[in-house]
Amino acid sequence: QVQLQESGPGLVRPSQTLSLTCTVSGASISRSGYSWTWIRQPPGKGLEWLGYIHDSGTTYYIPSLKSRLTISMDTSRDQFSLRLSSVTAADTAIYYCARQYDWTYGSYFDSWGQGALVTVSS
Amino acid sequence: QSVLTQPPSVSGAPGQGVTISCTGSSSNIGAGYDVHWYQHLPGTAPKLLIYGNDIRPSGVPDRFSGSKSGASASLAITGLQADDESDYYCQSYDSSLSGSVFGGGTKLTVL
Repeated sequence: QVQLQESGPGLVRPSQTLSLTCTVSGASISRSGYSWTWIRQPPGKGLEWLGYIHDSGTTYYIPSLKSRLTISMDTSRDQFSLRLSSVTAADTAIYYCARQYDWTYGSYFDSWGQGALVTVSS
Repeated sequence: QSVLTQPPSVSGAPGQGVTISCTGSSSNIGAGYDVHWYQHLPGTAPKLLIYGNDIRPSGVPDRFSGSKSGASASLAITGLQADDESDYYCQSYDSSLSGSVFGGGTKLTVL
């Protein structure tokens, strides 16, 4: 059974870069046929899908974050990462990594990490 | 404000049933994109409950069922149990946003 675990700093200063890594176990992220994605949940709010990286290396980011967000993968370690630059307090959230299955009529997320709380504060 | 609309909360007594609605629009559910449901207990990993509108992954009890009609979908839970108390989210694809969208979540309280 695939498992995902987020890791990274819990506190980031405003204007700095937020970096998180998701370690995947129980599956290889390369040649898997899946995409690997990041989702966040600001305090008291709902879930927001941020973007993904396909096992081919293709990426997609939501338009509102496209200029600040980078998702990359390290297939040798079965890890994928998120980097969000120029953060503000609005980026404070629990960040989840998840495995995305590309379904015929949309995609869904069949495995998730437990989430990592990242607070942006000076 | 979430693209998909869910009631903030629902409640029911043990053994009873509840239904959670998820309303979208012509660019997501109404456009024919499937709806998926997740159970999320804060502090834990969200769990896929229903995919493809009405398909249960292996291990999900048949007390949970999903349906879709037009631009809306529903999650029905029968025979409520104490450990069903959780947050529930619907999710679909939106063509105008070119990506996945979620509902705002519904908190289920088992009385």
